[in-house]
Amino acid sequence: EVQLQESGPGLVKPSQSLSLTCSVTGYSITSNYWGWIRKFPGNKMEWMGYISYSGSTSYNPSLKSRISITRDTSKNQFFLQLNSVTTEDTATYYCAREGYFDYWGQGVMVTVSS
Amino acid sequence: DVVLTQTPSILSATIGQSVSISCRSSQSLLDSDGNTYLYWFLQRPGQSPQRLIYLVSNLGSGVPNRFSGSGSGTDFTLKISGVEAEDLGVYYCMQATHAPRTFGGGTKLELK
Repeated sequence: EVQLQESGPGLVKPSQSLSLTCSVTGYSITSNYWGWIRKFPGNKMEWMGYISYSGSTSYNPSLKSRISITRDTSKNQFFLQLNSVTTEDTATYYCAREGYFDYWGQGVMVTVSS
Repeated sequence: DVVLTQTPSILSATIGQSVSISCRSSQSLLDSDGNTYLYWFLQRPGQSPQRLIYLVSNLGSGVPNRFSGSGSGTDFTLKISGVEAEDLGVYYCMQATHAPRTFGGGTKLELK
C-alpha cells in the first residue's frame, strides 16, 4: 500500500524558511512524479510544484523565486523548502503523487507568525 | 493561469437526493495528446483530499459508482446519484492540462 506522510515544524517565523519532508512508503520516488499542494484557511487550494522520477522539477510561477523541491532517494523522501515566508503562507501542506493525484499525505498545518 | 469556476459554492441536500456540481474553465482543457486532464476531489472534514474522478469521467479506485463525471472543453459536471452521509465535505475540480495546475474554489456539500 502506498502511503505518504508529511513532517515538519508547525510554526515558522515571518521571513524565515519553511521546510517540510514527505516520506513515501510502498512506492519508489524514482518512479512517477511527486508534488506539494497547499490549502489556505477557507477553501482555496494551490498547486506548488513537483519533482520527477529523474529529479527534474516544475514550480508554480507564483512561487518560483521562493520554492525548492528536492529529494533523497536513499530514504525515499522528498522535500519542500519555501523561503521568505509571510503570514500569507499559513496553510495546510500536502504531498501527493503527481499526475494521478490518487495518493495524498494527511497534511501538516503550518502557521507563519512571530 | 486557467481559472476554474465552481458552482454552487454551497450545496444543501437531503440523504438520497441527486445533486450536481459545475466546473467551468476559462480555457479548453483538451490537451494536444487528446486527453482532458480534469479531476474531481472530495475533502471530508479533517481528512486529506480523495480523488473521485480523473480524466473527466473515470471513476477512481474504490469510489462508489453513485459518483459520475461528464463534460468536455470548458464545461464539466460532477453528479452524485443519491447523496449519502459520507459524501459531505468540500468538492474541488482541478485541471492539469495547462501549467500551472489550478483548482476550483470548492463546493461545500452539507445536509439540508
